Amino acid sequence: DAGVIQSPRHEVTEMGQEVTLRCKPISGHDYLFWYRQTMMRGLELLIYFNNNVPIDDSGMPEDRFSAKMPNASFSTLKIQPSEPRDSAVYFCASSFNRNNEQFFGPGTRLTVL
Amino acid sequence: SQKIEQNSEALNIQEGKTATLTCNYTNYSPAYLQWYRQDPGRGPVFLLLIRENEKEKRKERLKVTFDTTLKQSLFHITAPQPADSATYLCARPAGGSQGNLIFGKGTKLSVKP
Repeated sequence: DAGVIQSPRHEVTEMGQEVTLRCKPISGHDYLFWYRQTMMRGLELLIYFNNNVPIDDSGMPEDRFSAKMPNASFSTLKIQPSEPRDSAVYFCASSFNRNNEQFFGPGTRLTVL
Repeated sequence: SQKIEQNSEALNIQEGKTATLTCNYTNYSPAYLQWYRQDPGRGPVFLLLIRENEKEKRKERLKVTFDTTLKQSLFHITAPQPADSATYLCARPAGGSQGNLIFGKGTKLSVKP
C-alpha cells in the first residue's frame, strides 16, 4: 500500500478563497482523522470518521470548515472562505481501529495570504 | 478534559548519551500511551505503544516506561545518533467511547556528533 495520500502538498491562496484538501486513507482502515498542526497549538484534531460517518467534529474551528467522506477511500476538508489564521499544516491519518496506531499522510501546507 | 504535556520543547544532547523525554498526563490513567516521531516536512510516524499494565516496553534502542503513580511516561533512546534528531510526540486516547488521540506538542531532540 502507498500509505495515506494527501493532495495538494502545498497550497497558497488569498483570503476569501475556497480551499479543498484531499485525503485517501489506507485501504481497509476504518478510521480517518483530520488534524491541523501549528507551532503554537501543536497537533489538533479537527474531525474524525468511522466507517465514513463523522463521529466527532468538535475540533472544527468554525462553520467555515467542513469535511466529508463520501466513501471509504476518499475524504475532503474544505475551508470557505479561507483566512490568514487558517495557515497551517493539515494532516490526514487513518487507522485500522480506534486503539491502533495512526498512519499519517505527508500533510498539506496551507498558506492564506 | 484530558491533557497531555511534554514540558521540554527542545532537548540537545551529545551523540552516545542516553536521551530521555518526558510526557505527563492529567486525570485518570489512559489505557495506553503512544509515541510518534516526526521529521521536518513529514507526518508523524508511530514508534511504540505501551499499555497501562506494562511498566516498560522496548524496541531496538528505544525504551518507554509508564508510571501511573507519577502520571508520566518516559521515552529513552540509548546511544542516540544524529539520525535520531527529530520531534517526538506522545499521545493518549481521548477517553470514553471516543476513538481519537490527544497529542502532546512534542519535544524536538537534537543529537550532536
